[in-house]
Amino acid sequence: SQQGEEDPQALSIQEGENATMNCSYKTSINNLQWYRQNSGRGLVHLILIRSNEREKHSGRLRVTLDTSKKSSSLLITASRAADTASYFCATETSGSRLTFGEGTQLTVNP
Amino acid sequence: GAGVSQSPRYKVAKRGQDVALRCDPISGHVSLFWYQQALGQGPEFLTYFQNEAQLDKSGLPSDRFFAERPEGSVSTLKIQRTQQEDSAVYLCASSLARVGWYGYTFGSGTRLTVV
Repeated sequence: SQQGEEDPQALSIQEGENATMNCSYKTSINNLQWYRQNSGRGLVHLILIRSNEREKHSGRLRVTLDTSKKSSSLLITASRAADTASYFCATETSGSRLTFGEGTQLTVNP
Repeated sequence: GAGVSQSPRYKVAKRGQDVALRCDPISGHVSLFWYQQALGQGPEFLTYFQNEAQLDKSGLPSDRFFAERPEGSVSTLKIQRTQQEDSAVYLCASSLARVGWYGYTFGSGTRLTVV
């Protein structure tokens, strides 16, 4: 079953703009992770934020976590055409398994 | 190796045929996971190994699915008497530790098509 729900399902922006994707989940978590998947490929780990953290940065990526609202957001700044992909949030609970959302399809137009 | 390797990359099976999918995790990675991803969906958990021990197989959809990791490295996911609903991409992931202080490294997957 899917725990995370990404919003929006699809996002189309112009190169250079910022892209924001949101994720909501239902149960308590140890950490939340964001992954990127290019068409026909495996998932690439982008960033992990632990339950006691509120914000994390990695290059052009900024992730926030609000455990009281059970939600997270991924911000990609100054987007590039190469950022076009599906983005998934995944939550990890005490059982160590990752539970993924349905994903957001991001299209960055040159 | 440098990454998680899965083989074959593509597999077409006739309904009723048995298939075996292979995963070579990153050397030294303790945890290994199998996920099933239907078209346009997020990956769904199938099973989890810590070294050679299968600690969680609650995601396996039926007793036709079987996974093993006998020496704590390479893992095989076997599907017996394949059905059309088994068509999906099967992803393998490995992680350095049990507790998720690290992200997971995924392979490129095996795309299974049952005809």
